[in-house]
Amino acid sequence: GAGVSQSPRYKVTKRGQDVALRCDPISGHVSLYWYRQALGQGPEFLTYFNYEAQQDKSGLPNDRFSAERPEGSISTLTIQRTEQRDSAMYRCASSLAPAGLAVEQYFGPGTRLTVT
Amino acid sequence: KNEVEQSPQNLTAQEGEFITINCSYSVGISALHWLQQHPGGGIVSLFMLSSGKKKHGRLIATINIQEKHSSLHITASHPRDSAVYICAALNRDDKIIFGKGTRLHILP
Repeated sequence: GAGVSQSPRYKVTKRGQDVALRCDPISGHVSLYWYRQALGQGPEFLTYFNYEAQQDKSGLPNDRFSAERPEGSISTLTIQRTEQRDSAMYRCASSLAPAGLAVEQYFGPGTRLTVT
Repeated sequence: KNEVEQSPQNLTAQEGEFITINCSYSVGISALHWLQQHPGGGIVSLFMLSSGKKKHGRLIATINIQEKHSSLHITASHPRDSAVYICAALNRDDKIIFGKGTRLHILP
């Protein structure tokens, strides 16, 4: 079956613009995670959902970042008033089991965001 | 067989003990990450390695590219180190392959 997909794969935007990044998890997967990985850095956790409920958003850098998963499937990560420091690879993952365990996560290909 | 294997799966130790967590991988990699996942689910990136050794506070990570093996060491372990430690290999296609994690519990 299809894996985790993300769109767009690449996004170039001007500073100050809003962007919305989409994640389509594997069908039936309960948990959905968002990570960010700056060039040359390790990934950092942003937020995750179990079904439609956002469980932990402690990793969101500031209030310009928000995420939703209204029907417990597709999720959107929105960055408002983008800044150059937001440039990174944004990765989405999903897992069959609820988060909080070291479960296998299936990662999407990522969206490479460049803010100019 | 997973492309990234960690051992042990679970580890319980007394406060102050020296801890070693191992990670072996079977794919060509561009980098290897050690992550710490807290009980609440958040993941913190501890190290990213492509060769040699890195040290941060009481944490030391080493990687042997020839042997396709990495270790994470914790010196003078403390109960607050209790977490799941995850090894993640970044393969040459820029795909992150996660190990299943090592659940560490440090007893006071």
